[in-house]
Amino acid sequence: NAGVTQTPKFRVLKTGQSMTLLCAQDMNHEYMYWYRQDPGMGLRLIHYSVGEGTTAKGEVPDGYNVSRLKKQNFLLGLESAAPSQTSVYFCASSPRKLNGYTFGSGTRLTVV
Amino acid sequence: AQSVTQPDIHITVSEGASLELRCNYSYGATPYLFWYVQSPGQGLQLLLKYFSGDTLVQGIKGFEAEFKRSQSSFNLRKPSVHWSDAAEYFCAVRGGTSYGKLTFGQGTILTVHP
Repeated sequence: NAGVTQTPKFRVLKTGQSMTLLCAQDMNHEYMYWYRQDPGMGLRLIHYSVGEGTTAKGEVPDGYNVSRLKKQNFLLGLESAAPSQTSVYFCASSPRKLNGYTFGSGTRLTVV
Repeated sequence: AQSVTQPDIHITVSEGASLELRCNYSYGATPYLFWYVQSPGQGLQLLLKYFSGDTLVQGIKGFEAEFKRSQSSFNLRKPSVHWSDAAEYFCAVRGGTSYGKLTFGQGTILTVHP
């Protein structure tokens, strides 16, 4: 049981470049989330999805886009990376709203 | 809007000593509360959760937490800390119609001295 898998684990981008982070879960969870983690700020919600084909904005959505074309996958895109997007990104999933999350191991992104 | 405050950024304890990590939340109705632990370079692991019922909840790795509505608190405790407990701990709250969205505190880093 793989749980939640994030790819890639590490990435360095130049300012202005684009990239897509992939999150895949094999638990048939309905809800999926993208968070970013920065020192001293905990985890902040970027975007989330309550089902296939649906997405919504979280607390810090600017500069990011997401898609959930398949139930098991949740993609996070950076169209034009900025140094302020240097962070560790975590994907999580949940079977229903009253449960805790299952987290991926994270993607460490550096924008130079 | 819901929020979580963890007043202690960094706590140091000796191995074998007791531990209490503080968490205060803000939410208008009955909250759903969680504690997560993160080891360096790892994702977050769920330690325990409170939804309703008994206000003292037991979790994994010997941790427990007590929900106190009057104090808006959900403090995490462990009677005897092990060196492997060194990690960062996050308190989180979910409430309302937010489709399961968790709001996290800033985290508390635990250092354990031998």
